Amino acid sequence: NAGVMQNPRHLVRRRGQEARLRCSPMKGHSHVYWYRQLPEEGLKFMVYLQKENIIDESGMPKERFSAEFPKEGPSILRIQQVVRGDSAAYFCASSPSYGSTDTQYFGPGTRLTVL
Amino acid sequence: DQQVKQNSPSLSVQEGRISILNCDYTNSMFDYFLWYKKYPAEGPTFLISISSIKDKNEDGRFTVFLNKSAKHLSLHIVPSQPGDSAVYFCAARTGNQFYFGTGTSLTVIP
Repeated sequence: NAGVMQNPRHLVRRRGQEARLRCSPMKGHSHVYWYRQLPEEGLKFMVYLQKENIIDESGMPKERFSAEFPKEGPSILRIQQVVRGDSAAYFCASSPSYGSTDTQYFGPGTRLTVL
Repeated sequence: DQQVKQNSPSLSVQEGRISILNCDYTNSMFDYFLWYKKYPAEGPTFLISISSIKDKNEDGRFTVFLNKSAKHLSLHIVPSQPGDSAVYFCAARTGNQFYFGTGTSLTVIP
C-alpha cells in the first residue's frame, strides 16, 4: 500500500508564474489536507477536502490560491502569480475518514522556490 | 496566533536516558492531540496520539501525557535511541483543523 505521494518534490518558479502541486492520497483515503511550512515555523493548515468537495478552506489565502480534489486523479493545490513569500514546503496529508481517532498520513512535501 | 506552542526549539539527550518534549496549547476546544516525528526532506510521520478524555497513552517507548487543566502535553521517550534524533511536532485538533507547533529538534547523543 503506497503512502501519500506528492509531486514534484521540488519546484522552482519565477515571480508571476503559476505553481501546481499534486497529491495522491493513500489508497482508500478520501480526505486530503494541505499544509504550508515556512522556514522556522510549524505546519499551517490551509485546506481540507473530500472527493469533489472543499470542506474547510479557512487557512487558504483569499487570493491566488485554490485547491481541488476531483473524483478521479490527485488533489491539486494551485498558486497563481507566485511571489517570493510563497516559497515554502507544502505538505499534503490524507486520512480514511473524519473521526476522533483518525490520523493523518503525510506525503514527503513539495518544496517551492520562487525566484 | 499560535494556538499550539513548543517553546524548546531543541533538546539534547544522552542515549538510554529519557527525552521529554513539551507542548502547550491555548484552545480549550481541542479534542485530540498528536505527536509527529519528522526527518529532513521527509513528511511528518505519526507517532502517538491521545484523546482529550484521557490523560495518558503509552505505545512502547513512547508515552504521551495530557494535563487539560494546564493545557499542557508532553511526550516521553524512554530509553532514547540515536535513531530518535529528529524534529518532533505536536498537533491538536478542533473541528476540521489541525494546529501544529513549531517543532522541537531532538538529538540523542550516542
